[in-house]
Amino acid sequence: QQPVQSPQAVILREGEDAVINCSSSKALYSVHWYRQKHGEAPVFLMILLKGGEQMRHEKISASFNEKKQQSSLYLTASQLSYSGTYFCGTEGRGNQFYFGTGTSLTVIP
Amino acid sequence: ETGVTQTPRHLVMGMTNKKSLKCEQHLGHNAMYWYKQSAKKPLELMFVYSLEERVENNSVPSRFSPECPNSSHLFLHLHTLQPEDSALYLCASSQETSGDLSYNEQFFGPGTRLTVL
Repeated sequence: QQPVQSPQAVILREGEDAVINCSSSKALYSVHWYRQKHGEAPVFLMILLKGGEQMRHEKISASFNEKKQQSSLYLTASQLSYSGTYFCGTEGRGNQFYFGTGTSLTVIP
Repeated sequence: ETGVTQTPRHLVMGMTNKKSLKCEQHLGHNAMYWYKQSAKKPLELMFVYSLEERVENNSVPSRFSPECPNSSHLFLHLHTLQPEDSALYLCASSQETSGDLSYNEQFFGPGTRLTVL
């Protein structure tokens, strides 16, 4: 029920791009993306709904493939401030909501 | 105060103690959540309240007892905890609980770092 994220960790140089994937074994109504910096609470990035458009937050965008029950987060021209752990959250039937396993992203100068 | 606040920020307790965690949201939201975040583990949803009614209880041991007296306040009462319950406990709120195609951004508090000795 818990979505699986890949990769588990990634290190980027400033300006490089990255993709984080989130896969679920269950049918999904929506996918949420959050970023958590060390020692801080998770902060909302975006929600993708069934049949919705690709969403965008600054230079971070995401897509949601309902048939494959997958979502991908695209980080373009990464900045130092992008460092943190990224979590997807998947919403299924009823009030079933699960966070993914997390992806640690480190951006270095 | 704005957003979601949690007290205390840090708590150390023995296994025989009884303590409570408090969460307050100033966003006018209808739904509130408790999460547990352990080291190297994903966020685990514990409880969900919508309009002060519990709508979700994810098989949480009875030593954790939630209370939602109104839509702005949420408590987590703790008793006879185990060392493995040591974790960061996060509270969150949203405009409403999830439904089909509903928009449900969650706002998180800073968390309570709990250590059980």
